[in-house]
Amino acid sequence: DTGVSQDPRHKITKRGQNVTFRCDPISEHNRLYWYRQTLGQGPEFLTYFQNEAQLEKSRLLSDRFSAERPKGSFSTLEIQRTEQGDSAMYLCASSFSSGSVEQYFGPGTRLTVT
Amino acid sequence: DQQVKQNSPSLSVQEGRISILNCDYTNSMFDYFLWYKKYPAEGPTFLISISSIKDKNEDGRFTVFLNKSAKHLSLHIVPSQPGDSAVYFCAASGLYSGAGSYQLTFGKGTKLSVIP
Repeated sequence: DTGVSQDPRHKITKRGQNVTFRCDPISEHNRLYWYRQTLGQGPEFLTYFQNEAQLEKSRLLSDRFSAERPKGSFSTLEIQRTEQGDSAMYLCASSFSSGSVEQYFGPGTRLTVT
Repeated sequence: DQQVKQNSPSLSVQEGRISILNCDYTNSMFDYFLWYKKYPAEGPTFLISISSIKDKNEDGRFTVFLNKSAKHLSLHIVPSQPGDSAVYFCAASGLYSGAGSYQLTFGKGTKLSVIP
């Protein structure tokens, strides 16, 4: 399977704990995106990388959120001091670099903060 | 404010009939539109897209129509099959319009149920 993969698929954590999610994009894609989806809503953009450079961040990405893509391949999204409002599905997507708009999504990581 | 609106939360259609899912947008900088299908516990799957220079794009049973003046697009599925039952998201991009952003802006989705 050469699609986008995400790990873990589910994460339950207590409020105040830190969590880290991983995304492996489609291998020939050099753009990588993170989105968050809450119940009854569509995915909301968080941030975007081209290779290892983080080029765009949403105002939704508070100081407690940090994303990295150190070698331009996989990416991690860390949430520090989790709050109950962080409970959501975190989706990763990737795309080709040549002006392609279509983004291909992974299965997501469902975070529950208790 | 919701820049991409899907005003119908749900739609039920008989198998074999046409399904029409609607989407409206408010941002005139959007110039590329996409439809995604999502099954429970899976990520969204890209279905079909359309550039603002076109008014129609077809791919098999799926056709997307774009009315720029009305800022409206629709997805037609003909004939509808039970396996089409899923949540459908409309998404928009302003990549080529000068906004220069790669982010997609999504609607809230429409849950399609195709009844056998």
